[in-house]
Amino acid sequence: EVQLVQSLATEKKPGESLRISCQGSGDDFNYQWIAWVRQMPGKGLEWMGVIFPGDSDTKYTPSFQGQVTISADKSTTTAYLQWSSLKASDTAMYFCAGGANWDIWGQGTMVTVSS
Amino acid sequence: DDVLTQSPLSLAVTLGQPASISCRSSQSLGSTDGKAHLNWFLQRPGQSPRRLIYKVSERDSGVPDRFSGSGSGTDFTLKISRVEAEDLGVYYCMQGTHWYSFGQGTKLEIK
Repeated sequence: EVQLVQSLATEKKPGESLRISCQGSGDDFNYQWIAWVRQMPGKGLEWMGVIFPGDSDTKYTPSFQGQVTISADKSTTTAYLQWSSLKASDTAMYFCAGGANWDIWGQGTMVTVSS
Repeated sequence: DDVLTQSPLSLAVTLGQPASISCRSSQSLGSTDGKAHLNWFLQRPGQSPRRLIYKVSERDSGVPDRFSGSGSGTDFTLKISRVEAEDLGVYYCMQGTHWYSFGQGTKLEIK
């Protein structure tokens, strides 16, 4: 069964770029969809988008299209979430999720954007 | 976009008493394989979400049988027959029929 391990918490300044990661263990990682989910402080869960690492097919929730980039490296069984220019409003916990019907979740990566 | 509306948004329950959470969809979640793609998750404080129920009523491995899911079309319910202390946290419904979306969450507290 795939397990998902995310990169550590990070603090950045507005305008900086960032890429966080979600590494899967197990042979199935490249053959299942991986999702990214945002949770702003004290708020609920928001679906950002998904990627199929095997062929990098990617789909975004409209409100996140153009705001972030989801990518994957199948050789390292890793999915990424990337920002080119962070804003304070990007401060949130970010989870990756996978598995059949989203039964496997990473531990979350806290991103803090502050000047 | 499909909008999921949960109620109540908060719930205080005495240990041993039942609890029920409603999740209403703005569109029917019926699917060709007979079961709507409607999941329930529990997020305990400081933890990642954990899936409890998938496809409306299928309980995940290790989830106590006091948890049950039901519903069809646009109306779904998560029931806990006897609340225990470990059940506190925020419960989310999630649909995967019309893209993906979560309900706002229902915070369960112990009275």
